Amino acid sequence: EVQVVESGGGLVQAGGSLRLSCAASGFTVSSNYMSWVRQAPGKGLEWVSVIYSAGSTNYADSVKGRFTISRDNSKNTLYLQMNSLRVEDTAVYYCARVPVAAAGTSYYFDYWGQGTLVTVSS
Amino acid sequence: SYELTQPPSVSVSPGQTARITCSGDALPKQYAYWYQQKPGQAPVLVIYKDNERPSGIPERFSGSSSGTTVTLTISGVQAEDEADYYCQSADNSGTVFGGGTQLTVL
Repeated sequence: EVQVVESGGGLVQAGGSLRLSCAASGFTVSSNYMSWVRQAPGKGLEWVSVIYSAGSTNYADSVKGRFTISRDNSKNTLYLQMNSLRVEDTAVYYCARVPVAAAGTSYYFDYWGQGTLVTVSS
Repeated sequence: SYELTQPPSVSVSPGQTARITCSGDALPKQYAYWYQQKPGQAPVLVIYKDNERPSGIPERFSGSSSGTTVTLTISGVQAEDEADYYCQSADNSGTVFGGGTQLTVL
């Protein structure tokens, strides 16, 4: 059974750092595109970052230069290193899988975790 | 930056048909995807590649595309369909979501 479980969220002061983890089971993270998507309280979904199966990455303009997506194939785990955090980064962060068949310039998400809440205080 | 535009809210009575639209300049060239999100839950994919339905999604959910607008149609709406719905499509750097539509079942 495919599962992704996020962890690492919490309360941090503006300017601080946090690392989110997403433990995957039932599939291999290196075989799929994997993304982080966030949702600020009461707001809509916002794509944050993607790591492609080949290992290259891409970021939303709002986090470029501050966030880094990576994966550990031996642990089958996806990460999001968040530095220079801002109040506006406060959100539930979801880890989401792209099915192998959808790999390409237009992709979608077939499995999502339950999310981990990041709160950035001023 | 590229945007997908959805109506903030749609209301329908049980058994009626709900139509939720999503507009974007690149939609004639890019697939659209739709997600359902209930309060406190993660999004669930309900339509992919404009009009394909994942296994386990009821047949009352369908998708269509015409020019710069894609539409999610829910036929015979049930109380359990009350949720937020988001469209998604590709943009130059990755992917983008619409602002979301709150579906209310009266």
